[in-house]
Amino acid sequence: KAGVTQTPRYLIKTRGQQVTLSCSPISGHRSVSWYQQTPGQGLQFLFEYFSETQRNKGNFPGRFSGRQFSNSRSEMNVSTLELGDSALYLCASSTGQSGGQYFGPGTRLTVT
Amino acid sequence: GESVGLHLPTLSVQEGDNSIINCAYSNSASDYFIWYKQESGKGPQFIIDIRSNMDKRQGQRVTVLLNKTVKHLSLQIAATQPGDSAVYFCAERKAAGNKLTFGGGTRVLVKP
Repeated sequence: KAGVTQTPRYLIKTRGQQVTLSCSPISGHRSVSWYQQTPGQGLQFLFEYFSETQRNKGNFPGRFSGRQFSNSRSEMNVSTLELGDSALYLCASSTGQSGGQYFGPGTRLTVT
Repeated sequence: GESVGLHLPTLSVQEGDNSIINCAYSNSASDYFIWYKQESGKGPQFIIDIRSNMDKRQGQRVTVLLNKTVKHLSLQIAATQPGDSAVYFCAERKAAGNKLTFGGGTRVLVKP
């Protein structure tokens, strides 16, 4: 089975712009979670989607949003980018039941 | 609030020796405790997990120990190899949903 894929792998944006990141889960996985990784804050949970519905949400401002499509692919959007949004954004997929989550390689976002 | 932390930020180990990575957690309601390995430029890779009703679980060259009395989790790696050099994260989650709460990470350096 192919692993979790994320596009793009690298992105450079300017403050105030918006960005959309994409995640394709492992085939058959219906749950997609997003995480932000920074040197200062570590790995932090953004949100989880399961069957096109947001099931869990972390403590991030409303500028961070996401959605999931019927084929389980997911996108996350960050509006009005700030310098502090520079991070590695990771997507993880799972069956949604018990079992582990499998991470993609991440999208490295740099905000200048 | 929920938090999962690590005692040692860096662990240097001689190749062939055993490694022990420690983690403290504060949320007694967690159902699963998980260890991830992250190599440079990659997303976290699932190593092993343990349910809260267990105190030990073994995998290939790895053993996870859970001590609920003192809220302590550890990962033991037997016969550490150069390929084990990475950052290791502990994480916890409840049975419902896939929100992972991560610790700060421990860097393991394997010396030849």
